[in-house]
Amino acid sequence: DAKTTQPNSMESNEEEPVHLPCNHSTISGTDYIHWYRQLPSQGPEYVIHGLTSNVNNRMASLAIAEDRKSSTLILHRATLRDAAVYYCILRDVPNNNDMRFGAGTRLTVKP
Amino acid sequence: GAGVSQTPSNKVTEKGKYVELRCDPISGHTALYWYRQSLGQGPEFLIYFQGTGAADDSGLPNDRFFAVRPEGSVSTLKIQRTERGDSAVYLCASSLGGSQETQYFGPGTRLLVL
Repeated sequence: DAKTTQPNSMESNEEEPVHLPCNHSTISGTDYIHWYRQLPSQGPEYVIHGLTSNVNNRMASLAIAEDRKSSTLILHRATLRDAAVYYCILRDVPNNNDMRFGAGTRLTVKP
Repeated sequence: GAGVSQTPSNKVTEKGKYVELRCDPISGHTALYWYRQSLGQGPEFLIYFQGTGAADDSGLPNDRFFAVRPEGSVSTLKIQRTERGDSAVYLCASSLGGSQETQYFGPGTRLLVL
């Protein structure tokens, strides 16, 4: 399975943008890049996903490098409720049914 | 609408006992997944159902673990002869259709084996 590498932890100030990096140098052509986050004492929740082009939704933006070997999840204005563990996951959707989570990045948001 | 629900929210059992964990997926979701999450780790895939059948059970750690979904809705994860190493949060997720769909997770069942 293609693997992702994320920093263990990051800190941000409230109302400032946050850029969460993810490296996936062994990504294959059919791998989609998915981001989920897990708030304390909750199950993971979907954030965003993309294949090649940058993506925006109401929660975040996803910037994908041209060679697709890395991506960045962007929270435009962090709030205290964004404090969570963020997981970057590659899904070879036609071939895999499950999601392989790594350890993720623990984001701390300071008031 | 109602999300994925899991019962019980917490379960304490003794080593060697049998436990059942229940998952109620979102209504109409045909795909259902079980994951296990140890402290400080990301969720680890266990099994995936499409309808009533287990389409992929490659993540089940050994034959003490078994899951069913007899009517294609509610699923039960069964653990026989529990061991202390089985202590973890067991997460269930469902999705509308096949594997390309977004997964919606329940809050999990925290299992503690003494």
